[in-house]
Amino acid sequence: AQSVTQLGSHVSVSEGALVLLRCNYSSSVPPYLFWYVQYPNQGLQLLLKYTSAATLVKGINGFEAEFKKSETSFHLTKPSAHMSDAAEYFCAVSDASGNTPLVFGKGTRLSVIA
Amino acid sequence: SAVISQKPSRDICQRGTSLTIQCQVDSQVTMMFWYRQQPGQSLTLIATANQGSEATYESGFVIDKFPISRPNLTFSTLTVSNMSPEDSSIYLCSVSNKGYEQYFGPGTRLTVT
Repeated sequence: AQSVTQLGSHVSVSEGALVLLRCNYSSSVPPYLFWYVQYPNQGLQLLLKYTSAATLVKGINGFEAEFKKSETSFHLTKPSAHMSDAAEYFCAVSDASGNTPLVFGKGTRLSVIA
Repeated sequence: SAVISQKPSRDICQRGTSLTIQCQVDSQVTMMFWYRQQPGQSLTLIATANQGSEATYESGFVIDKFPISRPNLTFSTLTVSNMSPEDSSIYLCSVSNKGYEQYFGPGTRLTVT
């Protein structure tokens, strides 16, 4: 069975500061990993994905994530937070077959302080 | 990516009634999924809906409560039956074409009174 754990249900950063949202996964097979963002009253938008190519993945809105197999981690970062980054962020995992639905973490709410 | 629409976008329903949520995709997709997102919570998979076969339900979800139809490769419906206040949630449709990523609709916000 696959699972993801997001450390910290709520992260607060100052505008312009580094954003770091943590995600650790558990999988018995090579995982595919994803980060999604959910703005208030909206659906989920794909930020970036890891599908066994480059371990450092760049996504939209300046976000990136690094797959570290030794640490079973896939943390999301952004060098400089913007007010518009305030949202809920979800890490998700699936297997490489493409046949299984995503399993989501509990989410991390990011607040950005002016 | 796929463009997904859901109807209705929100509804307020009486206890004991049923609501059918529609999910329409702008292109043919292999797999469609229905998720529930309770207030302030993460997403929980209800079922996987594949065209031409019965939906596959996750533990804790049953067909009598959440019947699903998938008549073609661009459309699916989820019915929430005999609703109670505990069914108040956001219901999200998502699709995948074995590209591994899933794309999500905007969600249906359901309040049961």
